[in-house]
Amino acid sequence: GEDVEQSLFLSVREGDSSVINCTYTDSSSTYLYWYKQEPGAGLQLLTYIFSNMDMKQDQRLTVLLNKKDKHLSLRIADTQTGDSAIYFCAVPYPPGNTGKLIFGQGTTLQVKP
Amino acid sequence: DTEVTQTPKHLVMGMTNKKSLKCEQHMGHRAMYWYKQKAKKPPELMFVYSYEKLSINESVPSRFSPECPNSSLLNLHLHALQPEDSALYLCASSQSGTGEGEQYFGPGTRLTVT
Repeated sequence: GEDVEQSLFLSVREGDSSVINCTYTDSSSTYLYWYKQEPGAGLQLLTYIFSNMDMKQDQRLTVLLNKKDKHLSLRIADTQTGDSAIYFCAVPYPPGNTGKLIFGQGTTLQVKP
Repeated sequence: DTEVTQTPKHLVMGMTNKKSLKCEQHMGHRAMYWYKQKAKKPPELMFVYSYEKLSINESVPSRFSPECPNSSLLNLHLHALQPEDSALYLCASSQSGTGEGEQYFGPGTRLTVT
């Protein structure tokens, strides 16, 4: 089955860039997603990238996809304290139209003032 | 508008109680989902409804009973739960009834079983 892995913790200073990494095992995934979860809240869809793209930029967020290495990353420019949260990457599995998403373990981003 | 609403926000129930969680979306989405999330863990899929019909049951115990009365509403009926069922229950929806595309999540119901 699909295995999605993320590092568990990242700490940055306010104003720095944050890079959160994710690796997956199934190369036939179509869309790949990034979600943000603040304490006590549900998941907020941040952005997504289609598998035929290498990069997608949306304001402070940049998603990079390396299909050869099955590596996905989320870069947050000018990180703010409000960006402190858990970030999950999610991959559809099995590929196709089932609605199943496999989530990584989540990366806790700590932003220090 | 990408809002999914869930009620109640918090629920405390005993092991002999029967209660229900409710989820609503008015985005015209044709697939709806229930997830369970334990503390410090990612969400785990429980059920998928596609065009108001149950399409995926991830081997969830029968003490959890989903219901989709119409395309906007999803319920999760709870009966004879165990303390280990305490978790955040998240509802989500997606536009395509086939499950393709991004899923939008509600704020969740935090359930405590005593």
